[in-house]
Amino acid sequence: EAQVTQNPRYLITVTGKKLTVTCSQNMNHEYMSWYRQDPGLGLRQIYYSMNVEVTDKGDVPEGYKVSRKEKRNFPLILESPSPNQTSLYFCASSPDLALSYNEQFFGPGTRLTVL
Amino acid sequence: QKEVEQNSGPLSVPEGAIASLNCTYSDRGSQSFFWYRQYSGKSPELIMFIYSNGDKEDGRFTAQLNKASQYVSLLIRDSQPSDSATYLCAVSPLYGNKLVFGAGTILRVKS
Repeated sequence: EAQVTQNPRYLITVTGKKLTVTCSQNMNHEYMSWYRQDPGLGLRQIYYSMNVEVTDKGDVPEGYKVSRKEKRNFPLILESPSPNQTSLYFCASSPDLALSYNEQFFGPGTRLTVL
Repeated sequence: QKEVEQNSGPLSVPEGAIASLNCTYSDRGSQSFFWYRQYSGKSPELIMFIYSNGDKEDGRFTAQLNKASQYVSLLIRDSQPSDSATYLCAVSPLYGNKLVFGAGTILRVKS
């Protein structure tokens, strides 16, 4: 089944404890992206990747890191989480660089709470 | 001014009625426009996209685009309780490899 997977689905952690949220897609997509979703603010892009080893900042990159060592994986790293990073996180992928005309496929989401 | 604006709702319509969801955007050079549906606790899923002025129909859904007015809408005919969800408008700007999302409109279809 073609899909985007994320792990963990739910995570409660404490301030300052490094964490990684994994994202994997099995559709051979070039483009991958991370969003956070907060009430009243909608989906905001954190980082995106056009291809392996190519990543760039989105609209809200502060406090996050990403890497794209393999085409299928795009982990999101929070080196020192803070309470304002409590949010619902979505990973998404898209077939190719011509994003304008391509659907983004979303993972199931990761609900993160930072105490 | 937000890049993509939507009325947060909730928009309540009776079953069988037409639901009209609206979205405005600020980047006049935007190229493509998407409507995603998101059920509570679930991930967004694409309903339709449109990139030419005018109407595009797919089953009970019609997307309408007016680039001069920087306005895109989604009409849902014969609304069903299963259409109750948050509808996200997303815009692909002229520059930047991304989609910019609105905050979404909550739709409630009452049986």
